[in-house]
Amino acid sequence: AQTVTQSQPEMSVQEAETVTLSCTYDTSESDYYLFWYKQPPSRQMILVIRQEAYKQQNATENRFSVNFQKAAKSFSLKISDSQLGDAAMYFCAYGATNKLIFGTGTLLAVQP
Amino acid sequence: GAVVSQHPSWVICKSGTSVKIECRSLDFQATTMFWYRQFPKQSLMLMATSNEGSKATYEQGVEKDKFLINHASLTLSTLTVTSAHPEDSSFYICSARGGGRGTEAFFGQGTRLTVV
Repeated sequence: AQTVTQSQPEMSVQEAETVTLSCTYDTSESDYYLFWYKQPPSRQMILVIRQEAYKQQNATENRFSVNFQKAAKSFSLKISDSQLGDAAMYFCAYGATNKLIFGTGTLLAVQP
Repeated sequence: GAVVSQHPSWVICKSGTSVKIECRSLDFQATTMFWYRQFPKQSLMLMATSNEGSKATYEQGVEKDKFLINHASLTLSTLTVTSAHPEDSSFYICSARGGGRGTEAFFGQGTRLTVV
């Protein structure tokens, strides 16, 4: 069975600084996708970034980028120039044909 | 992005009764829908995956007879909590995807269920 692990329950970053959230996963499949979702206090899930396992190039979306290490089954999220609006719960997720499973989440606080 | 509407946003029901939660994709056809349960400050626990016209696939430990999932059309899936008990009180979230595993899944606003 696939599993997703986030080892950092909480993280804090100063505004304008950079923070990296960690995620590891386990799967025996070769074709899958990885995602980072954000859940603000409203609890509405928002897609931050996605990565296809077959692509070696790390995905980037504006201030958000990932470090995808397939062999190590690691998928970290880097947030640059952190903003107050980035404060939220961040979930790493694994996507397969009939699965979309989430890690335990990292609560990110942004200090002004 | 696409819109997924989940209704109701909150519901209170008496122990022993059933409650139905609806999840609708408003502007796309959802070939796959996921139902999650989220406890306070915890992750989303996948309960089941449903594909339109097929029986739902339940995760291990999730009671099929208690959590009835129907995905009758490409825009609607329902979760019915039967014979609800206080321990079923939780936040339930649906998600809909219009394509394969790499397609973005869009989420409903969630339903806060309280069983008294």
